[in-house]
Amino acid sequence: EVQLVESGGGLIQAGGSLRLSCAASGFSVSSNYMSWVRQAPGQGLEWVSVFYPGGRTDYADSVKGRFTISRDISKNTLFLQLNNLRVEDTALYFCARDLTFDFWGRGTLVTVSS
Amino acid sequence: SYDLIQPPSVSVSPGQTANITCSGKNLEDKYCCWFQQKPGQSPVLVIYEDTQRPSGIPERFSGSNSGNTATLTISGTQAIDEADYYCQAWDSGFGGGTKLTVL
Repeated sequence: EVQLVESGGGLIQAGGSLRLSCAASGFSVSSNYMSWVRQAPGQGLEWVSVFYPGGRTDYADSVKGRFTISRDISKNTLFLQLNNLRVEDTALYFCARDLTFDFWGRGTLVTVSS
Repeated sequence: SYDLIQPPSVSVSPGQTANITCSGKNLEDKYCCWFQQKPGQSPVLVIYEDTQRPSGIPERFSGSNSGNTATLTISGTQAIDEADYYCQAWDSGFGGGTKLTVL
């Protein structure tokens, strides 16, 4: 059974850093496109970043230079390093599989205070 | 702002057909996906590659994509279909979402 479990969120002051994790089971993260998508409170979905199977990465303009996506194949886990956080980064962060986003985790909440 | 434009809300009576549109430049040249999200839940893929339904998604959900507009159609809409719906196309991100009300 495919499962994605996010963790690492929390309350952080603006300018701070967090590392989010997405533990996958039932498939290999190394063989799939893996993305982070976020949703601010009461708002819509915003794509954040993607890790391609071959190792290429890409980012939304709003996070480029501040967030870094990575993966640990041995742990079958996807990560998102969030640096220089801003109040507008407050959101529920989901990880999702494949270019079709066919499976999603339940998300981990990041709250950035001023 | 969003590159993909959706109506903020659509209302439909039970048993009727709901059409939710998603407009974007040259959208027909990209594969479009649709997601259903109910309050407090994660999004669920209901249509991928414009017209394909994942296993477990009811047949009443269908999709099309032509010109600059992709459409999600829900035939015989049921109360349980009330949710927010988002379109998505690679390189264009997500649409702003449409709240479907069944009344």
